Amino acid sequence: DAGVTQSPTHLIKTRGQQVTLRCSPKSGHDTVSWYQQALGQGPQFIFQYYEEEERQRGNFPDRFSGHQFPNYSSELNVNALLLGDSALYLCASSVEDTQYFGPGTRLTVL
Amino acid sequence: KQEVTQIPAALSVPEGENLVLNCSFTDSAIYNLQWFRQDPGKGLTSLLLIQSSQREQTSGRLNASLDKSSGRSTLYIAASQPGDSATYLCAVRQDFNKFYFGSGTKLNVKP
Repeated sequence: DAGVTQSPTHLIKTRGQQVTLRCSPKSGHDTVSWYQQALGQGPQFIFQYYEEEERQRGNFPDRFSGHQFPNYSSELNVNALLLGDSALYLCASSVEDTQYFGPGTRLTVL
Repeated sequence: KQEVTQIPAALSVPEGENLVLNCSFTDSAIYNLQWFRQDPGKGLTSLLLIQSSQREQTSGRLNASLDKSSGRSTLYIAASQPGDSATYLCAVRQDFNKFYFGSGTKLNVKP
């Protein structure tokens, strides 16, 4: 059984560009959450998707948007990239209480 | 707003030592608390989940306790090994589906 997978592994963008990150949840998991982890910090909750709807959102601007597909996979989109958006972006899937995390996508904004 | 703090930020111990990692949170209205392990540049691995109605959970050499009223949790690691070296993060679940993480404790177990 494959765990949570994320693509790409690494990404380099320049300020002002747009980026899309992808996540495939663990088999049978219908809920996907996205987190931003800056270097040396704990993950910050961005939002959570369930049944293709955004169910909960953290304190992130509208530049951060997402989508969940009927197969429960999810995308995170970030527009108008800033230098401060450089971080490890983590996806987690869950079916009840325990969250299972993917390996993350390392985004560098130059 | 929920604030989660982990002390110490870093810890270095010799192999075989028993150790305790601390996690505190400011709002006791939580659904559960989860401890994770993170290896450098990697994702998070779930270690233990404690529901708000529980006092502790155990898995192998790990034991986690929760005192919701005082806003504290501890992760006890028995007989530490070099392979335990990693960053340990605690996270609380609140408002049904909001999750708040601490900044972690970076553990180094020396052979």
